[in-house]
Amino acid sequence: GIQVEQSPPDLILQEGANSTLRCNFSDSVNNLQWFHQNPWGQLINLFYIPSGTKQNGRLSATTVATERYSLLYISSSQTTDSGVYFCAVFSYNQGGKLIFGQGTELSVKP
Amino acid sequence: DAGVIQSPRHEVTEMGQEVTLRCKPISGHNSLFWYRQTMMRGLELLIYFNNNVPIDDSGMPEDRFSAKMPNASFSTLKIQPSEPRDSAVYFCASRGGLAAYNEQFFGPGTRLTVL
Repeated sequence: GIQVEQSPPDLILQEGANSTLRCNFSDSVNNLQWFHQNPWGQLINLFYIPSGTKQNGRLSATTVATERYSLLYISSSQTTDSGVYFCAVFSYNQGGKLIFGQGTELSVKP
Repeated sequence: DAGVIQSPRHEVTEMGQEVTLRCKPISGHNSLFWYRQTMMRGLELLIYFNNNVPIDDSGMPEDRFSAKMPNASFSTLKIQPSEPRDSAVYFCASRGGLAAYNEQFFGPGTRLTVL
């Protein structure tokens, strides 16, 4: 089946720093979503981005479908950005399921 | 707009008891998904419904697990009898529109602890 790999697995930042999270996938996809799981366990939709670039405040994402990767940029990080960031891909070739990566755990220190 | 609603948010039960988790999808969404999250296995899909019909239950771990969707606004996931290894966070998600690749939205989850 399709493999979804996220890097780095863990990241510690000082407040105000910028970061880039990466998601690689092993096959073509029809959809890609980025989620933030906050310390309370809620999964919050960040981006629906099968291709191209989107921005939402301090966050932006780019997916290069032909090269099978997506990047999530966090600028001027805040302590509230802490949590786990998941990339999930959908492919008809994989039975129509959303396949999650293992996540990047981000900790932003004040 | 209300998002996906799940209840209860926390459940603590003893081994052998029946557990029922509930989900109300976003109004107008026609697909509903049940996921389970554990440290060891991450997020895994258990079952999903399109228009109240179960489409794929290959992720349901065993016969102790069952899911129903009697109408477009309600679904249940039942575990009977429960075991300690069922302890996990169970998420419900919904999706609207006709395309299977449309965006999924998740509920707040139910944290289940089986003693």
